[in-house]
Amino acid sequence: EIVLTQSPATLSLSPGERATLSCRASQSVSSYLAWYQQKPGQAPRLLIYDTSNRATGIPARFSGSGSATDFTLTISSLEPEDFAVYYCQQRITWPLTFGGGTKVEIK
Amino acid sequence: DVQVLESGGSLVQPGGSLRLSCAASGFIFTNFGMSWVRQAPGIGRGLEWVSTISSGGGSTYYADSVKGRFTISRDNSKNSLYLQMNSLRDEDTAIYYCARQSDSSFTYFDPWGQGTLVTVSS
Repeated sequence: EIVLTQSPATLSLSPGERATLSCRASQSVSSYLAWYQQKPGQAPRLLIYDTSNRATGIPARFSGSGSATDFTLTISSLEPEDFAVYYCQQRITWPLTFGGGTKVEIK
Repeated sequence: DVQVLESGGSLVQPGGSLRLSCAASGFIFTNFGMSWVRQAPGIGRGLEWVSTISSGGGSTYYADSVKGRFTISRDNSKNSLYLQMNSLRDEDTAIYYCARQSDSSFTYFDPWGQGTLVTVSS
């Protein structure tokens, strides 16, 4: 099973700041990594697929990068609605696995 | 609007059974794979993939934690997805989300339903 480790666990930032979230895989997932956003009491939402492709309707301030075992989700300038928990997920092999999440909270 | 809506969650005793349903609308159901993903309740609890079924139902995939106890199925004539859960354990307590495969891949999830809560407790 591929283990995804997200860091930091919590990121405390102010609106307008840049957020950089990390996801590290225990073995290469090539480019087959996605990012999801989950707000309290809501279902997750797909943000980024295959490392760097924004899903439909996702604002350009969200971007993804990386390859193999190291990936980054960047939010260029935090909006109030971006404070949430973010998860990465790999699809290169079964079982599909998620990272433990990074909470982006208001400082 | 593309939507999936889960139902069937409830309180069940350890060792018991439960069947979850997911009603899909707003898209051609027969064109998409479907999955179940769960999340244990409480702050900071992560996501765990449970099971996936192909668009035609011919291929199914399970997490080791549920293999042999859970069965995923679909009825394309009813635009519905199911999860039959047997031999339930305390650790199966979670919000169960139904999710459609994304437009980009069979194994990404988009969109997700709002979830249905399964509580396994005596």
